[in-house]
Amino acid sequence: EAQVTQNPRYLITVTGKKLTVTCSQNMNHEYMSWYRQDPGLGLRQIYYSMNVEVTDKGDVPEGYKVSRKEKRNFPLILESPSPNQTSLYFCASSLSKRGVFNYEQYFGPGTRLTVT
Amino acid sequence: SQQGEEDPQALSIQEGENATMNCSYKTSINNLQWYRQNSGRGLVHLILIRSNEREKHSGRLRVTLDTSKKSSSLLITASRAADTASYFCATDDNYGQNFVFGPGTRLSVLP
Repeated sequence: EAQVTQNPRYLITVTGKKLTVTCSQNMNHEYMSWYRQDPGLGLRQIYYSMNVEVTDKGDVPEGYKVSRKEKRNFPLILESPSPNQTSLYFCASSLSKRGVFNYEQYFGPGTRLTVT
Repeated sequence: SQQGEEDPQALSIQEGENATMNCSYKTSINNLQWYRQNSGRGLVHLILIRSNEREKHSGRLRVTLDTSKKSSSLLITASRAADTASYFCATDDNYGQNFVFGPGTRLSVLP
C-alpha cells in the first residue's frame, strides 16, 4: 500500500531535549516536505527536499533541521525544542517529472508534539 | 511568500445542499490544489488544477480557477454528512517547490 508513515504519532517532551520525528514513504517520490499546523494558521511549510542531499527552507524553518540521506526517509530534527514548537506536524511526499514538482502531495497521519 | 486564503472560514449547510468555498492567492502559480482534512488527520488530495485550466471536475467536486483574479472556488454538490471536514487550498511557487496552504474552511454538513 502506498503510504507516508511518521513516528511517533504523539510525543510529549521537555524544553531543550533533542528529538527526531521520522518520516518514510514507499512511493519512490523525489519530493518530500514537512509542515506544521497550528489553529487559525493552516499548514506552514518548514523544510522541503527535492531529492537526496537536496534540502531547502520553507516558510518557518527556525528551530528545525532536516536531512535527506536516502530517498525514502526525511527526518525532522528539533535540536532544542521550545514550547512554541508545540504543534501538529505533517510529512508529505510527491512525484516529480523532469524536475517539475507540482503534483499532488501524499500526507502522513501527523505527529502531535507537546513541548513543556 | 504567496498565500492562499480560503473564504468563508466556516460553513454550515444541510445534507443535500451545495457547498462553495473560495480561495484567493497573491502571486503567479503553476497550479492550485485542494485538500480535505478530517479532524486531526492527515490531508487528502482532492483536485489539482493547473494555471492553464479554467475548470475541473471530479465526482461531486467542481473546481474553477481564474488567474486574472487570482482566485479559485471549490463546489461540492449534493453534500453528505461525510463531507464534514476542513478544506484547504494550496498554491506553489513558480518552481513548484514551495507550497503555501491557506487557513482552511471548516465545512459542517448537518443530517
